[in-house]
Amino acid sequence: DAKTTQPTSMDCAEGRAANLPCNHSTISGNEYVYWYRQIHSQGPQYIIHGLKNNETNEMASLIITEDRKSSTLILPHATLRDTAVYYCIVVNNNDMRFGAGTRLTVKP
Amino acid sequence: DSGVTQTPKHLITATGQRVTLRCSPRSGDLSVYWYQQSLDQGLQFLIQYYNGEERAKGNILERFSAQQFPDLHSELNLSSLELGDSALYFCASSGGTSGRARQYFGPGTRLTVT
Repeated sequence: DAKTTQPTSMDCAEGRAANLPCNHSTISGNEYVYWYRQIHSQGPQYIIHGLKNNETNEMASLIITEDRKSSTLILPHATLRDTAVYYCIVVNNNDMRFGAGTRLTVKP
Repeated sequence: DSGVTQTPKHLITATGQRVTLRCSPRSGDLSVYWYQQSLDQGLQFLIQYYNGEERAKGNILERFSAQQFPDLHSELNLSSLELGDSALYFCASSGGTSGRARQYFGPGTRLTVT
C-alpha cells in the first residue's frame, strides 16, 4: 500500500472549517483514499473515502487532486466533539495500514 | 454504536500468562480484522479472517493466534505475555474480503500485563 504523510497536529476554531491535508505521492491507479478518525481511545470511526472524484457525505468532504498525489479532508463546521486523531489511509485490495495521523484539536 | 462487540473491556494479567479476546462482528459481516494499539506503535494491523479462513496477515507475533468460528465470531489468543503486549486491542468487521471495504471497529479490549 502507498505510504501517506500527514501533519502531526493541527488546531481549528470551533465553528470554522477544518482542512486536513494528506500526501500520498506514490498512490497507484487502483488505490482508494480512506479517512478514519479516533476519538480518545475509542475504536476508529470511518469518515469518507474516494478514488478520483471529490466526495461528500454528512460528516465531511474529501477533495482529491487531479494527479491523486494528495487529498484534503474538510470538516465544514468543526465542533469540540471533532477533536480526534484523523488517519488518511491508502488502500488497494490489501489490509489497511494506519499511520500516525493528524491530531486535530478544536478550540472554543 | 458500530455493531461490533468485544469482550472483555479490560483485562489485567501477569507476564507469562495466556488470554483470549473475543469479538462479535456486525450482523452479516464476514470479515474480521484484529489491530493492536500501543502508546509507542500506533494502530497496527495483526490479522484478518474472512468466513472462517485467514485472509491477510500483518505484524502478528508467533505468540499470538486467532481464529474465526462458524458463527463468525473471532477470538485472538495471546500467550507467553510480556509487558510490551500491554495495549488496546481492536476488532473490526466488514462485509467484503478486501481492506478496501469500510471497516467498523469495536470499542476495544484494554490489556494490561503486569
